[in-house]
Amino acid sequence: AQSVAQPEDQVNVAEGNPLTVKCTYSVSGNPYLFWYVQYPNRGLQFLLKYITGDNLVKGSYGFEAEFNKSQTSFHLKKPSALVSDSALYFCAVRDRGGNKLTFGTGTQLKVEL
Amino acid sequence: SAVISQKPSRDICQRGTSLTIQCQVDSQVTMMFWYRQQPGQSLTLIATANQGSEATYESGFVIDKFPISRPNLTFSTLTVSNMSPEDSSIYLCSVGLGTYPGELFFGEGSRLTVL
Repeated sequence: AQSVAQPEDQVNVAEGNPLTVKCTYSVSGNPYLFWYVQYPNRGLQFLLKYITGDNLVKGSYGFEAEFNKSQTSFHLKKPSALVSDSALYFCAVRDRGGNKLTFGTGTQLKVEL
Repeated sequence: SAVISQKPSRDICQRGTSLTIQCQVDSQVTMMFWYRQQPGQSLTLIATANQGSEATYESGFVIDKFPISRPNLTFSTLTVSNMSPEDSSIYLCSVGLGTYPGELFFGEGSRLTVL
């Protein structure tokens, strides 16, 4: 069975500093990986995905993620954090041949002035 | 992307009652899904809503508790039946666009509180 782990419940960074939100996965075969963001009282917004190709994937709002097959990781990154980036971030993996998205437990990002 | 509208956005319900959540999409989609997000927790897939056939439920979810309709390619409903406080959650409609294995898009969610 596929799974996703987000080891940090919360990440705190200062505005202007780089941020990293960690995600590791477990699947059989090649993974299809996604990052979503959830602002308070809102649904999920798609940020970026890795299907195949370049290991560094660029997405919305200046976010990017690096796929590392040997470490089975897909960490979300941003070079310079903004206070408005404060939200709940979910990593997800999609099963091969199916439609089910399996989500991690989420990481609360707090960016402070 | 798609515009996904859910109704109601939130509701407070009494124990033992049922509530139907509607999901309307601005384009025809093959794949529609219903997720649950319990307070402070991650998202769990309830079922896949299939047009023209019965929904496909995930382990731990049953049709009697969460009946789903999918009358056409732009609309679906999820009913939460005989509610208890444990059903207090955000329920999210989700759709897949384009070809597999693309991303899924989510509605704003319906926040239910059961007293």
